[in-house]
Amino acid sequence: AQSVAQPEDQVNVAEGNPLTVKCTYSVSGNPYLFWYVQYPNRGLQFLLKYITGDNLVKGSYGFEAEFNKSQTSFHLKKPSALVSDSALYFCAVSGFNDMRFGAGTRLTVKP
Amino acid sequence: DGGITQSPKYLFRKEGQNVTLSCEQNLNHDAMYWYRQDPGQGLRLIYYSQIVNDFQKGDIAEGYSVSREKKESFPLTVTSAQKNPTAFYLCASHSGTDNYGYTFGSGTRLTVV
Repeated sequence: AQSVAQPEDQVNVAEGNPLTVKCTYSVSGNPYLFWYVQYPNRGLQFLLKYITGDNLVKGSYGFEAEFNKSQTSFHLKKPSALVSDSALYFCAVSGFNDMRFGAGTRLTVKP
Repeated sequence: DGGITQSPKYLFRKEGQNVTLSCEQNLNHDAMYWYRQDPGQGLRLIYYSQIVNDFQKGDIAEGYSVSREKKESFPLTVTSAQKNPTAFYLCASHSGTDNYGYTFGSGTRLTVV
């Protein structure tokens, strides 16, 4: 079965510093991986995806993610964090009939 | 603009009452999904439908029911059999052909009073 795991419930970073939100995956076959962001009392918004091709995927709002097949990881990164990046981030993997989500990582960026 | 509309945004349910959450999309997507979100547990799939007049149970379907009579609409009923319904409910849709993942509605927060 397809699954993803987010090992950190919470990530804190100072504004202007680089940020990383971690995700590992377990799939049979080639993975279709996604990152979404959720602001309070809102639905999830698509950030970026990995289907195939370059291991470094660029997405919305300056975010990027690095696909690492040997480590089965798909970590979300941003070179310089903003206070407005504070939100809940979900990693997800596309299955046959649905999408499976991680438990989420709450990112807090402090001024 | 195309999108998914969930209503109401907030809903209060009394013990033993059935309530229905609305989900409407104008994206012409074939597939629609209902997820439940609880703190620290991520999103769990309740039901999904890949075509009109057909739907399948997800991981936590007990105490819920759905219908898919129209392509645009996928309402979720939370029945009295659902013992712990307080949660944030998210509806999503997918065309089945694009690689941009799912489009989500803004959610309905259901509280038992």
